[in-house]
Amino acid sequence: DQQVKQNSPSLSVQEGRISILNCDYTNSMFDYFLWYKKYPAEGPTFLISISSIKDKNEDGRFTVFLNKSAKHLSLHIVPSQPGDSAVYFCAATFSGNTGKLIFGQGTTLQVKP
Amino acid sequence: NAGVTQTPKFQVLKTGQSMTLQCAQDMNHEYMSWYRQDPGMGLRLIHYSVGAGITDQGEVPNGYNVSRSTTEDFPLRLLSAAPSQTSVYFCASSSAGGSYLGAKNIQYFGAGTRLSVL
Repeated sequence: DQQVKQNSPSLSVQEGRISILNCDYTNSMFDYFLWYKKYPAEGPTFLISISSIKDKNEDGRFTVFLNKSAKHLSLHIVPSQPGDSAVYFCAATFSGNTGKLIFGQGTTLQVKP
Repeated sequence: NAGVTQTPKFQVLKTGQSMTLQCAQDMNHEYMSWYRQDPGMGLRLIHYSVGAGITDQGEVPNGYNVSRSTTEDFPLRLLSAAPSQTSVYFCASSSAGGSYLGAKNIQYFGAGTRLSVL
């Protein structure tokens, strides 16, 4: 039972354009969501997060949108840069359930120069 | 600042062998977790700990043991390795946080251990 799903295994965009990565979840009890970025042979690194009390959080070129009614979140990267090429994982958790992140399968983003 | 350190980086085992994957963090984090990453599966939680002496099972705990005798260390033990345990293993830690909700949920990961079981 995959509680967090990233249905697009890969995405390719041109440098300077917008990248949109999507994530769906099934458990309505999740109340905190995170995006991680992973380069080959490295561990995942935290990128941006959002609490369920918000519908948008912005940090520089990265914006995460949360639609609770649709159980959907998305990560927007504007403008995309070649250095953004990596695997992106979304993750969800319950705020009282620390130490337990539930991850999606990941989306490989390729930004072409 | 080393953060989360995992050793070894690579390991090849034969079926039935045992080994311990080491994880140490120097951030004084209360929470530590072990995940495995498999193609098309994302990262799946194996075991986690909310403090020294306290551990609990995650999504895929079978075949793995953990203990947490100190805040800094959280080793993962494979008692009898199987080919199905071929994977990349990541250790992570996070702070108990205080009033900042995000601090409790933002986990910091090590560089991983790539394990092959033949």
